[in-house]
Amino acid sequence: GAGVSQSPSNKVTEKGKDVELRCDPISGHTALYWYRQSLGQGLEFLIYFQGNSAPDKSGLPSDRFSAERTGGSVSTLTIQRTQQEDSAVYLCASSLVSSYEAFFGQGTRLTVV
Amino acid sequence: AQSVTQLGSHVSVSEGALVLLRCNYSSSVPPYLFWYVQYPNQGLQLLLKYTTGATLVKGINGFEAEFKKSETSFHLTKPSAHMSDAAEYFCAVSEEGGSEKLVFGKGTKLTVNP
Repeated sequence: GAGVSQSPSNKVTEKGKDVELRCDPISGHTALYWYRQSLGQGLEFLIYFQGNSAPDKSGLPSDRFSAERTGGSVSTLTIQRTQQEDSAVYLCASSLVSSYEAFFGQGTRLTVV
Repeated sequence: AQSVTQLGSHVSVSEGALVLLRCNYSSSVPPYLFWYVQYPNQGLQLLLKYTTGATLVKGINGFEAEFKKSETSFHLTKPSAHMSDAAEYFCAVSEEGGSEKLVFGKGTKLTVNP
């Protein structure tokens, strides 16, 4: 597809379970971002990948959160031992180097019950 | 670290009225500035951006924003609101040093009344 694709679009999980969220960036985009959007909280930066550089993980809220990007393309955000406060919309975006225009996917709505 | 403040989490205007959404940033160096729009149940879409050059930036759907360094502001305006402008608007700033990591404000939800 032409845009950033995220899957699943919705995920309901039980507290304590692990979840994996997937992001397929636009082909050729070397930068990839994960953000978390909670009601009234705006977009919270989680992690940023740029090419082969070490990712900027400074926004990950706890060691239960991790992300990887395989082959410079697809990225997976993993949340271990989910908690109710993890419930949010997780947004992925990608961009070309130095374009400063991030293209966002439609997000994964995670609900922890 | 950079930060962005959007004044007013909710703004309501009448159709045809001026839209003004406020954004202030903190930075010790000239930043790159952005406005994104999010329609209900959709991802974010870039409205406009300021990197260098002209401080008045025009974007899509008739929106524009002006970078005012002295006021550390980047307010978004549109002369005449349309019902289809109802959405949430986010101001964002790039990190110091030119990193592409974007720091977002908390958003302003725009309601347009008929």
